[in-house]
Amino acid sequence: AQSVTQPDIHITVSEGASLELRCNYSYGATPYLFWYVQSPGQGLQLLLKYFSGDTLVQGIKGFEAEFKRSQSSFNLRKPSVHWSDAAEYFCAVGGDYKLSFGAGTTVTVRA
Amino acid sequence: SAVISQKPSRDICQRGTSLTIQCQVDSQVTMMFWYRQQPGQSLTLIATANQGSEATYESGFVIDKFPISRPNLTFSTLTVSNMSPEDSSIYLCSVRLGGAGNGEYFGPGTRLTVT
Repeated sequence: AQSVTQPDIHITVSEGASLELRCNYSYGATPYLFWYVQSPGQGLQLLLKYFSGDTLVQGIKGFEAEFKRSQSSFNLRKPSVHWSDAAEYFCAVGGDYKLSFGAGTTVTVRA
Repeated sequence: SAVISQKPSRDICQRGTSLTIQCQVDSQVTMMFWYRQQPGQSLTLIATANQGSEATYESGFVIDKFPISRPNLTFSTLTVSNMSPEDSSIYLCSVRLGGAGNGEYFGPGTRLTVT
């Protein structure tokens, strides 16, 4: 069975500070991994994805994520957050059939 | 990416009634999905909408409660039947473009409140 754990329910970060969101997954084979962002009242937007190749992937809005097979992790990072990054972030894992989403991490950005 | 629209964007319905949500994509796609996002929670897959055949439902979801249509490769509907307050959620459709490694692209969602 596939599953995703996002250990942090809520993170508060100062504007301009760095951000790291944790994601651990369980999957029987090489997974497809994704990060999505959901701003208040909006649908989900795909930030970045990983399947193979370079384990450090770049996404939109200045985000990057690193795949670590040995730790079954796919953590999301941003060097300097902006107030507009305040949102809900979801990690997802999947194969050819369907995606499974983590519970999400709410990011609050303080001035 | 794809442009995905949903109608209605929100609705308030009385218990016992049904609501049909539409999902339109601006290009032909093989895979379309319907999700539920209960208040403050993550996404749960309801079903995969298959063109030309019955939808494939996930555990805990049944066709009588959530009938789905997929008449062509750009359109799908989800009906929430005989609604109760527990059905109050955001319902999202998504599409997969190309292979599974490309991920899914989501519509804006339909916010349903059942009173």
